[in-house]
Amino acid sequence: GQNIDQPTEMTATEGAIVQINCTYQTSGFNGLFWYQQHAGEAPTFLSYNVLDGLEEKGRFSSFLSRSKGYSYLLLKELQMKDSASYLCAVSPSTGYQKVTFGTGTKLQVIP
Amino acid sequence: DAGVTQSPTHLIKTRGQQVTLRCSPKSGHDTVSWYQQALGQGPQFIFQYYEEEERQRGNFPDRFSGHQFPNYSSELNVNALLLGDSALYLCASSRTDGARGEKLFFGSGTQLSVL
Repeated sequence: GQNIDQPTEMTATEGAIVQINCTYQTSGFNGLFWYQQHAGEAPTFLSYNVLDGLEEKGRFSSFLSRSKGYSYLLLKELQMKDSASYLCAVSPSTGYQKVTFGTGTKLQVIP
Repeated sequence: DAGVTQSPTHLIKTRGQQVTLRCSPKSGHDTVSWYQQALGQGPQFIFQYYEEEERQRGNFPDRFSGHQFPNYSSELNVNALLLGDSALYLCASSRTDGARGEKLFFGSGTQLSVL
């Protein structure tokens, strides 16, 4: 089975940096996704990490440590539009593309 | 290029009724996955369809069934609705021949309310 943990809610200030953590325990692991979901909208893809280390994509970066079962999403220069839920999801190493999601972290950006 | 489209956007049903939700995948995608998302929770995997067959299934009762058509579009059927079935139902499409990390493209979902 798979168990994914991430904080329920976070608050950060506009212009600041925030780090959203995700830990996972899984019987088979290929990689980890991060998705962004604004209220009432569909989740949209942010990143996919397979190898250990940090991958940067504009204001957003994602880090993975396979040995520790740990990932984080780093958001820099926060903007009000970054207020959303951030979903951590695990892709399995075997079988088909059954992606398992965590409960999501609701980020509120305040002025 | 149209993305993933779902219909209807909202639906209200009463307990015991049956419902059918529809999904058209993104152009070039052949795999459709359905997820249930309760308020404040992450999406929960219901099942996945490929080549018109259910390929994988999550921990959902047999009241949840589906179908995939030759044009890759899909339907989710829920029988004998319960109050607890109230949720946002998301359809996600992907390519089976893509790398294992092939990202899912989501539709905007169908918000189902069971009264």
